[in-house]
Order: sequence, then structure tokens, then C-alpha cells
Amino acid sequence: EVQLVESGGGLVQPGGSLRLSCAASGFTFSTYWMSWVRQAPGKGLAWVANIKQDGSEKYYVDSVKGRFTISRDNAKNSLYLQMNSLRAEDTAVYYCARTYYGTFEYWGQGTLVTVSS
Amino acid sequence: QSALTQPPSASGSPGQSVTISCTGTSSDVGGYNYVSWYQQHPGKAPKVMIYEVSKRPSGVPDRFSGSKSGNTASLTVSGLQAEDEADYYCTSYTGSNNLYVVFGGGTKLTVL
Repeated sequence: EVQLVESGGGLVQPGGSLRLSCAASGFTFSTYWMSWVRQAPGKGLAWVANIKQDGSEKYYVDSVKGRFTISRDNAKNSLYLQMNSLRAEDTAVYYCARTYYGTFEYWGQGTLVTVSS
Repeated sequence: QSALTQPPSASGSPGQSVTISCTGTSSDVGGYNYVSWYQQHPGKAPKVMIYEVSKRPSGVPDRFSGSKSGNTASLTVSGLQAEDEADYYCTSYTGSNNLYVVFGGGTKLTVL
């Protein structure tokens, strides 16, 4: 059974940093693109970033470029999102998702990031 | 690219059919056969219901079907059941590294 479990969310002040993790199991992690998708409270979904199987390609939505870094550790079956210079508009539930040709096949349960003073 | 356009709400009675539209452009929906639909119940993670326009993952009831014509994709739910009440989001691959996938704004489906 495919499982994705996010962790690392919490309350952080504007300008602060947070590192999200996503532990994957039930599939061969190293053979899939992975993505982060977020959902602001009461709002719709938005793609944030994705990363190729070997980490050689990484892409970001313009609004987080230069502030967020996606990475992965295939030996640990883990996906990460380092978030720096956080803003109030980054407040959202962050989901990791196994990705295949534009489809988010499996999702984690999400972790809430709140940016507030 | 802007978000895909979905109606904010849709409704139907149990047993009826309802269709939700998703309108994009030739740069996303019209340009690729990588349209997906996701169901999200309150407080839960989204779940893929349709991928690549019309394919159904295993375990998704065949009451759910997808199609596309030009720049508009559609999700049809036949034989509505109470558990179908949820938010539905469409997505399309865009071919752009800066916006890998564009989402629709979501449609709240109410089963009357």
C-alpha cells in the first residue's frame, strides 16, 4: 500500500524558515517524480514544486522560487521542502504527492504551515 | 497561465447525473491529454478520480467518467450517491517548468 506521511509543519513568524518532510513507503520511491502541492485555508489547490527521480531536475512555481528548495533522499525514501523567508501567503496545508505525467497519483495527509506573528 | 475555470457549485439528486466543466486554453487543457480530476472531502487529502482525460484508477467507481473537447474538459458523475458530495478539482499539465500543473478553482458538488 502506497503511503506518504508529511511532517514538520507548524507556526512560524514571517521571515522564518521551516523544513517539511515526507516519508514514502509501499512503492519504489526512487523511480517516481515527486511534488509538493499546497492549499491555503478555505482555498483551492496549487502546485508548489516537483523533483525528478534522481534529483537532477527541480521546478518551482514563480511565487516560491528563490525561497523554497525541494530535495529528496532516495536511500531514506524521503522528500523534503526547505522553506525560507516565509510570508503570510505561504500559510497552507502542504501535501506531498507521487507524480506521473501531470497526475498526482497518491497524496499524503498534509501538514499545516502557519506563518503569523 | 491562469487557473482553469470551473463552476463554483453543482448539484443533483441521488441517482441523477451531473457534469462539471473545466475550461482552459490551448496551452493546457487543449494542448495535452493530461487532464486529471480530484475529489476532496472536508479535512481530507485529495484523491485522483480521473487521469489522462478519461482513465479511471483502480477502485474508482465507473460512475465517474471524463472527457475533453477542445479547451474544455468535463467530469460526469452518474447515479449520484450521498458520498459523492465533495469538492472536485481539475488539473492540466502545461508543459511549462514554471507551472507544471494548473488547477481549477474547484467545484462544490452537493447531493440534494
